[in-house]
Amino acid sequence: KQEVTQIPAALSVPEGENLVLNCSFTDSAIYNLQWFRQDPGKGLTSLLLIQSSQREQTSGRLNASLDKSSGRSTLYIAASQPGDSATYLCAVIGGNQFYFGTGTSLTVIP
Amino acid sequence: GAVVSQHPSWVICKSGTSVKIECRSLDFQATTMFWYRQFPKQSLMLMATSNEGSKATYEQGVEKDKFLINHASLTLSTLTVTSAHPEDSSFYICSAIQVLNTEAFFGQGTRLTVV
Repeated sequence: KQEVTQIPAALSVPEGENLVLNCSFTDSAIYNLQWFRQDPGKGLTSLLLIQSSQREQTSGRLNASLDKSSGRSTLYIAASQPGDSATYLCAVIGGNQFYFGTGTSLTVIP
Repeated sequence: GAVVSQHPSWVICKSGTSVKIECRSLDFQATTMFWYRQFPKQSLMLMATSNEGSKATYEQGVEKDKFLINHASLTLSTLTVTSAHPEDSSFYICSAIQVLNTEAFFGQGTRLTVV
């Protein structure tokens, strides 16, 4: 069974700093990997979708990479802002199944 | 991006009553919808997967008679929590995909409190 792990579980950085969130998965036979953001008490907002044939995707200050062979994905956030404070979840998609990581709680300090 | 609307956003009900939560894809036809449950400070736990016009596939440990899922159209899936108990209190989130293995879009979630 696919297991998805996110490290660190929590991260606190000063505003303006660049940061990297990590996601690892045990089964490399995946279709896609998706990064989400969740604000407290809210649903999920899709940030980036990386298809299995792709190595990375970029959207604004966000860049996500995917290395299927090593079972890893990273989400890079440039020039962090207080509004980036949220929980970030990665999900690995295999077949019709989504496997969610445990999330990284990010706090950006003004 | 596509929009998935979930309603209600929060509900309080008495023990023993039933509660229905709706999940609608507003601007696309969703072949598959997923229902998740999330406990505080934990990740999402998949409850069931539903395909339009067929019975939902429930994850192990999820009671199908308690959590009734209906996916009657390509834009609507409902989750009914029957005979609710306080331990059913949780945050429920739906998601929808248009085509298998494409981007998933999530509803805003429903906070259920059973008193």
